Amino acid sequence: DTAVSQTPKYLVTQMGNDKSIKCEQNLGHDTMYWYKQDSKKFLKIMFSYNNKELIINETVPNRFSPKSPDKAHLNLHINSLELGDSAVYFCASSQASKGDYGYTFGSGTRLTVV
Amino acid sequence: AQSVTQLGSHVSVSEGALVLLRCNYSSSVPPYLFWYVQYPNQGLQLLLKYTSAATLVKGINGFEAEFKKSETSFHLTKPSAHMSDAAEYFCAVSGMDSSYKLIFGSGTRLLVRP
Repeated sequence: DTAVSQTPKYLVTQMGNDKSIKCEQNLGHDTMYWYKQDSKKFLKIMFSYNNKELIINETVPNRFSPKSPDKAHLNLHINSLELGDSAVYFCASSQASKGDYGYTFGSGTRLTVV
Repeated sequence: AQSVTQLGSHVSVSEGALVLLRCNYSSSVPPYLFWYVQYPNQGLQLLLKYTSAATLVKGINGFEAEFKKSETSFHLTKPSAHMSDAAEYFCAVSGMDSSYKLIFGSGTRLLVRP
């Protein structure tokens, strides 16, 4: 049973396209996150949802829009993809509101924009 | 604001030698601190965490870390390196605020020589 699953694992697309990445967790956690890992392995938070409510929205272009239909799912939609969006995107979850700040990560989605 | 600094982007050790990966943190409140490991083409896996209980924290795969408030450090150690320990290691800090976010260091690549 995969705790945090992301689909797709690989995504190759052309500039200007719109794409979505899906994330689901079966841990019963109340908080989910999207992180971006660049080519130098640097991890930067993008968004966080707690019980479907947006609580973190870092300085991310408006082309990125998260959606959380329920607390087990957090999807990421990207409009008008640019070359600089190429990266690995990680979904994570935690039971932060109960004091457990440790994240469980998905295996990542490698996005390549050509 | 919280931050972490990992000294050394690459650390190389011989198999069987001591592993020491350095992490210093900055936090205006008592922090929670974490070490994660990332194997190639995989997500991040939690190694261990400090949450204000014991200052010496034991984790998985024989790793441990000691929280030293006076030195604002949380270095990761393992007495004897194994080839399978070769990976990227990330230190992270949480300020336990309502955003629940983790701030990651820039990572240290551990190389293990036979």
